[in-house]
Amino acid sequence: AQKITQTQPGMFVQEKEAVTLDCTYDTSDPSYGLFWYKQPSSGEMIFLIYQGSYDQQNATEGRYSLNFQKARKSANLVISASQLGDSAMYFCAMFFYNQGGKLIFGQGTELSVKP
Amino acid sequence: EPEVTQTPSHQVTQMGQEVILRCVPISNHLYFYWYRQILGQKVEFLVSFYNNEISEKSEIFDDQFSVERPDGSNFTLKIRSTKLEDSAMYFCASSEGAGRVHGYTFGSGTRLTVV
Repeated sequence: AQKITQTQPGMFVQEKEAVTLDCTYDTSDPSYGLFWYKQPSSGEMIFLIYQGSYDQQNATEGRYSLNFQKARKSANLVISASQLGDSAMYFCAMFFYNQGGKLIFGQGTELSVKP
Repeated sequence: EPEVTQTPSHQVTQMGQEVILRCVPISNHLYFYWYRQILGQKVEFLVSFYNNEISEKSEIFDDQFSVERPDGSNFTLKIRSTKLEDSAMYFCASSEGAGRVHGYTFGSGTRLTVV
C-alpha cells in the first residue's frame, strides 16, 4: 500500500529558530518523488521543495531543506530561521512515475511561528 | 513565472445542479490533474489527463465527474448533479512531465459550495 504520514497535526516555533516537520511514507515502488507544499490561509498550494528517490544528495531550496532518509522512508522538511510568514499548513506528498503523475498527500502539519 | 489559472475562484451551486470548473494549464505542459480538498482535510487526487485521455483516476472520480480539454488551452472538470459532500476546494495542476524537474504547478483553486 502507498501511504504518506504526517504525525504532527500542529507545531509551534519561535521566530528565527529552525523547525523540522516530519513525513514518513510507505511504498514498494522504487521510482518516486517527494514534494513539500505550503498552504497559507488563503488556500493556494505553494511548492517548496522536491526530492527524487534516486537523488544522492538532500534537496535544498533557500531556507528549506529536506532530510531524506531512504532506508527509514522519511522525508522531513527543515525550515531554518523561521519567519512569521511561515505560519501555514504544510503538506508532504509522494508522486509515482508509473501512475500518471498523481500525488498522494499526507494529512498536513499546521505550523505557527511565534514572535 | 508561468502559472495555472483557475476560474471561478468561488462558486455556489444548488444541490442537483451541474457545475463546470475551468483551468488554464501552463502552455507547454502535457499532464493535467484535478485534486480536491474538503475543508480541514488533506488534498485528494481525482484524475490525471495526458494526450487527451484519462491516464489515472481515483475511486472518488466516479460517473458523476468528467474531464475535458475542449480546446488547446482549457482543461475542465464537470460535476453532474452536485451533492452537499462535493463542497470542497478543487485544485487544477499541470506538469511538463511526471516529475519536479518538469514543474508540477498548482492553480489557486476553486472553492465550491453546494447548498
